[in-house]
Formats: sequence, structure tokens, C-alpha cells
Amino acid sequence: DIQLTQSPSFLSASVGDRVTITCRASQGISSYLAWYQQKPGKAPKLLIYAASALQSGVSSRFSGSGSGTEFTLTISSLQPEDFATYYCQQLNTYPYTFGQGTKLEIK
Amino acid sequence: EVQLVESGGGLVEPGRSLRLSCTASGFTFGDYGVNWFRQAPGMGPEWVAFIRSKVYGGTIEYAASVKDRFIISRDDSKSIAYLQMNSLRTEDTAMYFCARRSYDTSPSDYWGQGTLVTVSS
Repeated sequence: DIQLTQSPSFLSASVGDRVTITCRASQGISSYLAWYQQKPGKAPKLLIYAASALQSGVSSRFSGSGSGTEFTLTISSLQPEDFATYYCQQLNTYPYTFGQGTKLEIK
Repeated sequence: EVQLVESGGGLVEPGRSLRLSCTASGFTFGDYGVNWFRQAPGMGPEWVAFIRSKVYGGTIEYAASVKDRFIISRDDSKSIAYLQMNSLRTEDTAMYFCARRSYDTSPSDYWGQGTLVTVSS
């Protein structure tokens, strides 16, 4: 199975900060990577697909980049509603695995 | 409005069976594949199974952890997908989500709210 390792696992930041989360794959996955945001008690919400494509309706302060084995999710200016857990998911090879998550907390 | 609603969860003893349903509305269900995911308490999501749309043959993929125990199916006339879960184990305890997906390398863009399955004696 392809392993996805996110860093950091926990991130403390303030409203207005720019933050970056990294997702590393154990083998190349081209650009078949998605990013999701999850809030407590809710289903994951798709933010980014194909590594860098912004899902319709998602704020442009979210952006994604990368290909192969290293990917990043950047939030340009944190808003209060962005404090949540973020997961990457690879869509290259079954089973479609997720990273362990990055919990973004308010400083 | 696209909606997916899971149902059928509950408390079940180890070794027993349970069938989950995912009822879709607001889109042409037959044009999409359906994923089932699960999320154990305090853990990240885990992909469980995928059934392709008829356009892609209606074929199926399973995670190794559920293969030979779980069966995914769909009824396009009713816009419902199912997950038949047999020989349940305590480690199957989780919130189960269904989500639609266009084709294999596309992401899951709409998810249901989940249904909780607890396997315990």
C-alpha cells in the first residue's frame, strides 16, 4: 500500500497567518492527490483535487501544489472557520489511502 | 442539491451482519461511482469499497481489511448503494460514510453525514 505522511501532525496558528501542510507519498503518485478538510462530527469536505485544482465553491485562500511524492496545501490567510483537521488522499493506486491528518488549532 | 444519506447503522454483536444504505438525490445516480469510507473514533478516514458506474462496467474494489466479508452493490433504479457487512469484528466499529465519485482517479466530491456502526458484545 502507498503510505502518505503528513507534516506537521499538529499546527498552532493565528487568524491571518499563512500556513503550509506537507504530504509525502511512499512512491510516486503523479498528481493523483486530494486534500480534505474535516470538522468534528462532520464528513470530510473536498478542497483540492489533482494536486492543485480548487474544488468548486472552495475559497481561493486554499491552494495545492506538487507532484510525484511531495505535495503541499497552503492556506494564505487563516480565517476562524479554517481551524479543522486536514487530510491528503492518494487516488493513484488501490487501496486509496489517507494521510494521518494535520490538526490546525488556534494559537 | 446533491445529497447522500446513509442509514442502517447500529449496535451489533461480533460475527453478526448489518446492511448499510446510501440514498442519493439531486443528481443522476447512475452516472457516478460510489465509495464507502469509515472512520474509527479519533482516527483518520479509511477507504472501504468502491463500485463503478455502469458506464465503467459496474465493477468493484475492496480494501483488504473487508474483502470477503463486505459486499458493495447498487440499485440505480432506486438511487441507492448498499454495503452488506458480514462477520463483523470489533475493529469494524466506526462511522461509515458514502460518497460519490465520477471515475477511478477522481476525488469524492460529495459525502453523506455518516452512520455509526458499533460492534460489541
